[in-house]
Amino acid sequence: QVQLVQSGAEVKKPGASVKVSCKASGYTFTSYYMHWVRQAPGQGLEWMGIINPSGGSTSYAQKFQGRVTMTRDTSTSTLYMELSSLRSEDTAVYYCARYRVYYGLDVWGQGTTVTVSS
Amino acid sequence: DIVMTQSPDSLAVSLGERATINCKSSQSVLYTSTNKNFFAWYQQKPGQPPKLLIYWASTRESGVPDRFSGSGSGTDFTLTISSLQAEDVAVYYCQQYYSSPWTFGQGTKVEIK
Repeated sequence: QVQLVQSGAEVKKPGASVKVSCKASGYTFTSYYMHWVRQAPGQGLEWMGIINPSGGSTSYAQKFQGRVTMTRDTSTSTLYMELSSLRSEDTAVYYCARYRVYYGLDVWGQGTTVTVSS
Repeated sequence: DIVMTQSPDSLAVSLGERATINCKSSQSVLYTSTNKNFFAWYQQKPGQPPKLLIYWASTRESGVPDRFSGSGSGTDFTLTISSLQAEDVAVYYCQQYYSSPWTFGQGTKVEIK
């Protein structure tokens, strides 16, 4: 079945970087754009950006420009989201999600908790 | 950026009763060439990722019970749960995917009265 499996929880110090992975299975990896969305504790959903797994092109929310990098490895059907210069406000659950074009985000990863603390 | 504003922030409804959530976008999300609203509703239960309920403002995702319905067009949208069940306790989010950056509403928490 279609699923997205994300890497495990991370604890990082302020100023460090974190790289979260998202492994896709059950469908053609390069056929669907992928998004990253985060959710701070007790808060709503915040869109971070999108990557085209086919060509690797990306578009990021302005808020994260310069700090976020989204990449993919087509040989392993894995996406990566790296966030640098971490601060406490980056403490959140990070989700990858598949975009069924014109329909919405139809498949989500289980989420990866990133905690930024000194 | 398109701002999505949901109302209310929370509501408590008796089992079997109707629950209604509204969402207003700061600009139209209707793609006129296809007459489709690039608008979706998601359900998020505690400790789980969001789940796509409705896309194009009114089309239920496969497997979603028919007690969930969406309506509206342009800038004003509504999610209705016709007969609230215990398993519907969750936070519901609206989202526009008409233009980047994609934006979500702040969420509406639905509880049992």
